[in-house]
Amino acid sequence: QSALTQPASVSGSPGQSITISCTGTSSDVGSYNLVSWYQQHPGKAPKLMIYEVSKRPSGVSNRFSGSKSGNTASLTISGLQAEDEADYYCCSYAGSSTHVVFGGGTKLTVL
Amino acid sequence: QVQLQESGPGLVKPSETLSLTCTVSGGSISSYYWSWIRQPAGKGLEWIGRIYTSGSTNYNPSLKSRVTMSVDTSKNQFSLKLSSVTAADTAVYYCARSMVRGWFDPWGQGTLVTVSS
Repeated sequence: QSALTQPASVSGSPGQSITISCTGTSSDVGSYNLVSWYQQHPGKAPKLMIYEVSKRPSGVSNRFSGSKSGNTASLTISGLQAEDEADYYCCSYAGSSTHVVFGGGTKLTVL
Repeated sequence: QVQLQESGPGLVKPSETLSLTCTVSGGSISSYYWSWIRQPAGKGLEWIGRIYTSGSTNYNPSLKSRVTMSVDTSKNQFSLKLSSVTAADTAVYYCARSMVRGWFDPWGQGTLVTVSS
């Protein structure tokens, strides 16, 4: 069982928007603005899409955005494209001893 | 741009020690944290631990008793040793540059390690 809870799957049609939730606790997501999101295509390494809750690394499309409320972080993908179909993982800093915890991952299907 | 490449045996026997090396190219290994993360087939990501270029380490509490990390700045490499492995340690192992408090970028391509006799 992963430390952060994500829905197993979400789906959407091209052009639509979807949101993936990531629920933690007051010891991780709720305590730090240090949530990151990763995109992973089959057989590939994860790729950083969002860090510090809502910041995008250079080169990541502005269709990807992040937010947080309380113990739950969210990743929103707008204007869905076929290439967005992948697994998405959230991650949160969880203090100096645990360091980080990951979510179990969400499979995004573009219909 | 910085690139990472994992290397090491793809097959390890139960009870033995898994050893992997990550080579960093396109930039210096110095003044950064470097992590190992693993992913069993069809499952999620698990952070194993990290090392700073000074040699300071932090390990996942659930693996701490079996993990040792080291760094060789002269070779721009850092390494992972996981002792007393079992089938549960079979996974793709990734190395990644890690920021002080949490995120990882970039990642290596990953290497599959199978624990089997």
